[in-house]
Amino acid sequence: LAKTTQPISMDSYEGQEVNITCSHNNIATNDYITWYQQFPSQGPRFIIQGYKTKVTNEVASLFIPADRKSSTLSLPRVSLSDTAVYYCLVGDNGNEKLTFGTGTRLTIIP
Amino acid sequence: GAVVSQHPSRVICKSGTSVKIECRSLDFQATTMFWYRQFPKKSLMLMATSNEGSKATYEQGVEKDKFLINHASLTLSTLTVTSAHPEDSSFYICSVRGARETQYFGPGTRLLVL
Repeated sequence: LAKTTQPISMDSYEGQEVNITCSHNNIATNDYITWYQQFPSQGPRFIIQGYKTKVTNEVASLFIPADRKSSTLSLPRVSLSDTAVYYCLVGDNGNEKLTFGTGTRLTIIP
Repeated sequence: GAVVSQHPSRVICKSGTSVKIECRSLDFQATTMFWYRQFPKKSLMLMATSNEGSKATYEQGVEKDKFLINHASLTLSTLTVTSAHPEDSSFYICSVRGARETQYFGPGTRLLVL
């Protein structure tokens, strides 16, 4: 089972770029890396997914090095509404189950 | 991605009663759904995998007779908490499996057992 490790918490000021790095040393060849965002009392929301190199969408970028043992979620110019818990998940070698780690509690400071 | 709803969003019940939570996939036929629970300030914990037309697969430590799961159609899975007790109070979240190991989550149901 590919386990992930993320910082427990991070603080950042509004307008800055925030990078959250996740380690997944045991990722399997066919596993994707997916990031979710969760606000209090809501279900997680899909942010971005990637397999290798860089992926960008309208809300974030995801950087994955060649060895795929880590990934970095980049949030450009954060605002107060980006305060949330961010989870990095990897697949379970084809198993459809996802195992949530601790996540990173991001707090944006005005 | 898939749109997932849950009903009710919040429920308060007395100890010893049973509570049913519905999870609906509104725009996607879901052969597989998942049920999670989440305690305050904690991460999501997978309870069971719900398979359409067959029995659910429960995670270790989850009592199948207490948390009854029914997945009778491709758009509906239900979780029934039987004989609820205060320690069952939690945030229950369902999800639908999408492509490439992605899951789409419902908004969650807050259960408070008095």
